[in-house]
Amino acid sequence: GAGVSQSPRYKVTKRGQDVALRCDPISGHVSLYWYRQALGQGPEFLTYFNYEAQQDKSGLPNDRFSAERPEGSISTLTIQRTEQRDSAMYRCASAGGGSFYEQYFGPGTRLTVT
Amino acid sequence: AQTVTQSQPEMSVQEAETVTLSCTYDTSENNYYLFWYKQPPSRQMILVIRQEAYKQQNATENRFSVNFQKAAKSFSLKISDSQLGDTAMYFCAFMKQGRGAQKLVFGQGTRLTINP
Repeated sequence: GAGVSQSPRYKVTKRGQDVALRCDPISGHVSLYWYRQALGQGPEFLTYFNYEAQQDKSGLPNDRFSAERPEGSISTLTIQRTEQRDSAMYRCASAGGGSFYEQYFGPGTRLTVT
Repeated sequence: AQTVTQSQPEMSVQEAETVTLSCTYDTSENNYYLFWYKQPPSRQMILVIRQEAYKQQNATENRFSVNFQKAAKSFSLKISDSQLGDTAMYFCAFMKQGRGAQKLVFGQGTRLTINP
């Protein structure tokens, strides 16, 4: 596609429910990143993939958070047993091609846990 | 671990003026990349400009330029002839060099307002 897409754009869920956030990277981009951004702050790294391999998950806050990219393209970030503190903007970015170190961000998914 | 500091939470200038946003970083790496991202009210994240640490020449993209001081670990963004559309949050970000792209470490951001 032309850019990184994420779905849903907005998600409201009740505490204790599981949520799955989807990211569709720019076509051909090898690397895919997940970040979380609280209001008024910079994005914080969660995890990233090269192809289907998860390279670094050191930013995942706890074991309720997991991510996968089974075919090296679309990725899903799953949060189990959501808590109010999980409310934030979740951003996906992809990188690849000639300027492999430039990350291009999707529009984000705003998650609200009530 | 790397850290990025933006010491100006907010700035405000008149349209057509020049404004400089500050960024400092802390790292023991010698090879890395630095970026400025813009986040307008739509909350999209837009790459404005990048700088490779091994390049001495400062990067320039139209009205946007950087002043990269590697020894001082400083990376400021200058916006010339500012426009109303430049109103946004600006984030400075660091990436160490490795095999392929690595994670970005962001500063806290500077909220820039361009007044008519």
